[in-house]
Amino acid sequence: ELKVEQNPLFLSMQEGKNYTIYCNYSTTSDRLYWYRQDPGKSLESLFVLLSNGAVKQEGRLMASLDTKARLSTLHITAAVHDLSATYFCAVDNPSGTYKYIFGTGTRLKVLA
Amino acid sequence: DAGITQSPRHKVTETGTPVTLRCHQTENHRYMYWYRQDPGHGLRLIHYSYGVKDTDKGEVSDGYSVSRSKTEDFLLTLESATSSQTSVYFCAISDLATSYEQYFGPGTRLTVT
Repeated sequence: ELKVEQNPLFLSMQEGKNYTIYCNYSTTSDRLYWYRQDPGKSLESLFVLLSNGAVKQEGRLMASLDTKARLSTLHITAAVHDLSATYFCAVDNPSGTYKYIFGTGTRLKVLA
Repeated sequence: DAGITQSPRHKVTETGTPVTLRCHQTENHRYMYWYRQDPGHGLRLIHYSYGVKDTDKGEVSDGYSVSRSKTEDFLLTLESATSSQTSVYFCAISDLATSYEQYFGPGTRLTVT
């Protein structure tokens, strides 16, 4: 059974600080996705990582993928309040059925 | 924004009644998905469709059925609603020919009393 685990589940950090969210998954997959969700809203796609070693950056967020370690990281640089949200990672099922399995999410709160 | 709408956006219903949620897309994407979101569980896949009349179960499909009679519409039916089906339901679409990215609808908040 494919499982996706994120840690931490909750993260409270000061503005200006750096931090990393980790996403581990249990079986082989070459594709990993990061989403952002604001309270009461839908999910917004942040990054699609399609191969081992992929790195993508937008603003203060940078995501990377290590398929051999089955690990993706979402690094936050110099956090600002606007980054407060819940972040989800997901992988798609390696059997080719194109089912997406999500982690339970990391709730990030950036304190001024 | 991808053209995905869900209806209704909010619904309160009683235990034992049937409920149908609708997802409509204007993107002509092949794949459509229904998820439920509950605190502490992230998003869990209920059913998905890989083409008209082609559907398959997800990880939490018991008590739910789906239908897709045309590309743009994907219906989720709770045959006899229970309180455990109180949740927020999201529809998503993807077109694997061009991108693996999923696009999500605005969600439907369902309360079963």
